[in-house]
Amino acid sequence: AQKITQTQPGMFVQEKEAVTLDCTYDTSDQSYGLFWYKQPSSGEMIFLIYQGSYDEQNATEGRYSLNFQKARKSANLVISASQLGDSAMYFCAITGWTSYGKLTFGQGTILTVHP
Amino acid sequence: EAQVTQNPRYLITVTGKKLTVTCSQNMNHEYMSWYRQDPGLGLRQIYYSMNVEVTDKGDVPEGYKVSRKEKRNFPLILESPSPNQTSLYFCASSLESSAGSYEQYFGPGTRLTVT
Repeated sequence: AQKITQTQPGMFVQEKEAVTLDCTYDTSDQSYGLFWYKQPSSGEMIFLIYQGSYDEQNATEGRYSLNFQKARKSANLVISASQLGDSAMYFCAITGWTSYGKLTFGQGTILTVHP
Repeated sequence: EAQVTQNPRYLITVTGKKLTVTCSQNMNHEYMSWYRQDPGLGLRQIYYSMNVEVTDKGDVPEGYKVSRKEKRNFPLILESPSPNQTSLYFCASSLESSAGSYEQYFGPGTRLTVT
């Protein structure tokens, strides 16, 4: 079984600053994958970044990076140089070998970027 | 363009009136899944399919049915909708169901209201 905990219901950041969104996970699988998705107010789910449990380096995709600390079971999303368009709900999710493809999501964090 | 499509995007119906939400993907993905999103709960899996004619229950399957007769289509059926099925529904697909870096592509969502 998998579990994702996102402890920040809402976060605020000033435009052009960096922000970290927290995610901790629990899993009994040895092999698993961690995902971050963005959901703007329009409702669609946008894939941002992926980290595999055996990846030695932290994943990066443009302004997004995943701070993966396996021993602490955390997979925080770092957004550098925030933009107004980054205002959205952000979900952390996990899947594992025993999940048969199922993504288990956290409750989400609403990020608001101020000009 | 690679995409997952869902129809309808919005639906208001009454208790007990059977409905079907269609989902189609054009990426030849083996794995397809349905999620529902409710405030404070993130997304929860309803049903999934690992290939044609192979389906199984997710975390919240009660009140739903699915079928996978063709690889590209995975309709969600509510035989007798009830108000507690009012939710935002997402269809998703991915290349495989393993815990590799197979991004799950999400459809645009279907907002269902049952009165």
